Amino acid sequence: DAKTTQPTSMDCAEGRAANLPCNHSTISGNEYVYWYRQIHSQGPQYIIHGLKNNETNEMASLIITEDRKSSTLILPHATLRDTAVYYCIVRVIRGSFGNEKLTFGTGTRLTIIP
Amino acid sequence: DTGVSQDPRHKITKRGQNVTFRCDPISEHNRLYWYRQTLGQGPEFLTYFQNEAQLEKSRLLSDRFSAERPKGSFSTLEIQRTEQGDSAMYLCASSLTVLQETQYFGPGTRLLVL
Repeated sequence: DAKTTQPTSMDCAEGRAANLPCNHSTISGNEYVYWYRQIHSQGPQYIIHGLKNNETNEMASLIITEDRKSSTLILPHATLRDTAVYYCIVRVIRGSFGNEKLTFGTGTRLTIIP
Repeated sequence: DTGVSQDPRHKITKRGQNVTFRCDPISEHNRLYWYRQTLGQGPEFLTYFQNEAQLEKSRLLSDRFSAERPKGSFSTLEIQRTEQGDSAMYLCASSLTVLQETQYFGPGTRLLVL
């Protein structure tokens, strides 16, 4: 699976949009971009994923550049509860009999400032 | 709450003792994963089951570690002769075999070996 690069940490003011970048310049055509977050002392929480089109759900939006070499996770109105480590993961979808293990990096520690 | 439960949530043991952790996945999920997370790092893959079959083990899983998933339901992870280096958060995740699989994580078991 392709390697990802994320900033170590970021701050965002409460109520503003939090934009978390991820670089995945070696991504292959069959690799998806997944985002998880981990709030202190909890298990990782799935946020969103996409292949090449922008995606939106109730938690966030995912913007993937046209060349797919980078993406941005957007939390539209950050709250204090969004303080967490955010992981960008690129993975191949291997189908019914493949190990779909997730390869985590060290992520971005996002702190929401009151 | 993702629907994946782990027990116990915390475990303190002395070096050399055996410990066993349990994971109850989301009921219809046929895949189950174990990960380990040390302080400041992202989770690392340990092993994975499809139904009751253990299909892959990481090199991180030494001979002192064993995992089972009888009848393809709950899973146990046992560590024999614990060492201080085994201190970590042990995470379980489950998923359904579909295209664009999403893994849902439990809250983890935090192990401290004294």
